[in-house]
Amino acid sequence: DGGITQSPKYLFRKEGQNVTLSCEQNLNHDAMYWYRQDPGQGLRLIYYSQIVNDFQKGDIAEGYSVSREKKESFPLTVTSAQKNPTAFYLCATAPLAGDADTQYFGPGTRLTVL
Amino acid sequence: AQSVAQPEDQVNVAEGNPLTVKCTYSVSGNPYLFWYVQYPNRGLQFLLKYITGDNLVKGSYGFEAEFNKSQTSFHLKKPSALVSDSALYFCAVRPYMNYGGATNKLIFGTGTLLAVQP
Repeated sequence: DGGITQSPKYLFRKEGQNVTLSCEQNLNHDAMYWYRQDPGQGLRLIYYSQIVNDFQKGDIAEGYSVSREKKESFPLTVTSAQKNPTAFYLCATAPLAGDADTQYFGPGTRLTVL
Repeated sequence: AQSVAQPEDQVNVAEGNPLTVKCTYSVSGNPYLFWYVQYPNRGLQFLLKYITGDNLVKGSYGFEAEFNKSQTSFHLKKPSALVSDSALYFCAVRPYMNYGGATNKLIFGTGTLLAVQP
């Protein structure tokens, strides 16, 4: 988990609210990823970004939005359009050279909709 | 469709016994294969990976994995299990890099819970 911070650790949201999950890294990695983890389903890719000011949709992007204004930061907004947002959210990073094959994960944020 | 299968939801083993957590994959091209471990309410920790070369890969905490191309498998193994090895284990595969397209996308299995009894 070192070098990647996610905040908050726990987040509660009322229905109809947008919430933003923070992911910051000091590893100087170019690529950043957001995954959603649900019990028994493994990890599913929401969005990813390889460079600043550029990002692509993953497999389950509907109801989510991201930005990549700085190399160190890749915040994820869970919008009211996401019908079932309760899950564990994981941010990951990877370099685009050298050890480019390996993704490193942050500690996660658990989001609960009340 | 490209996929990863972890056929066992849970593996139970006694401390000191060898353990195996199974993983099979279906991808095009030459796969890059990974194992990660997750402790409760924590992120994933990288254990080991296979890119090319020797089919037996050694990783962190005494774990190793064997790549078998003919069986499209990448089982995780450890000669002697510890209670502290109890955790959720994920196998992941990165299909052959699609130059000009997305890079480093991983496909994850659904995870196997390893329970080591003292």
